[in-house]
Amino acid sequence: DTEVTQTPKHLVMGMTNKKSLKCEQHMGHRAMYWYKQKAKKPPELMFVYSYEKLSINESVPSRFSPECPNSSLLNLHLHALQPEDSALYLCASSPYRGENEKLFFGSGTQLSVL
Amino acid sequence: KQEVTQIPAALSVPEGENLVLNCSFTDSAIYNLQWFRQDPGKGLTSLLLIQSSQREQTSGRLNASLDKSSGRSTLYIAASQPGDSATYLCAVPRAGSYQLTFGKGTKLSVIP
Repeated sequence: DTEVTQTPKHLVMGMTNKKSLKCEQHMGHRAMYWYKQKAKKPPELMFVYSYEKLSINESVPSRFSPECPNSSLLNLHLHALQPEDSALYLCASSPYRGENEKLFFGSGTQLSVL
Repeated sequence: KQEVTQIPAALSVPEGENLVLNCSFTDSAIYNLQWFRQDPGKGLTSLLLIQSSQREQTSGRLNASLDKSSGRSTLYIAASQPGDSATYLCAVPRAGSYQLTFGKGTKLSVIP
């Protein structure tokens, strides 16, 4: 299995809602990432987990809360989002967060905040 | 601060043509350079990773080259097909980090 699976594929939420994005991989990778991608822009790194511990937080607002329950799962909890948070949210994984490692991306969750 | 530039922003070619996509970066102290493909509304697929000690990598009809000293990489696609239509992004690690800095991509359209 060489896939990173993200659910849901699409999500529409209001500014007062609480929702979660889920990401799963079964490749034994020990590094997992959340990226945000606005239309016609490159992906921007949000968070990095290494061995289930948060190692990088790119100054992301607290309305985004990541969680890594185990080595195969990564969640992104959303609360009180703003319309400008509408974007494609991508999960990725790599073997050990080392150099010269390919990143494996999921297909993303297209999020719309109304 | 590492900056990555991709030229052209968009490219349209007839099927069967060979083509070259360009990527340049400002800081040559990189571990590697990756080329990704992204279909509309989808995630990224890693196509090729060139380590800093390598000059090129090949996968099928794709060939990527890396010239660290000049801060440039090219992605050569041979005998293009309509299925190659996508956005191609290059990415390099930030200085002192393994985290990637992406270019804005080249949107390729291969016309049947």
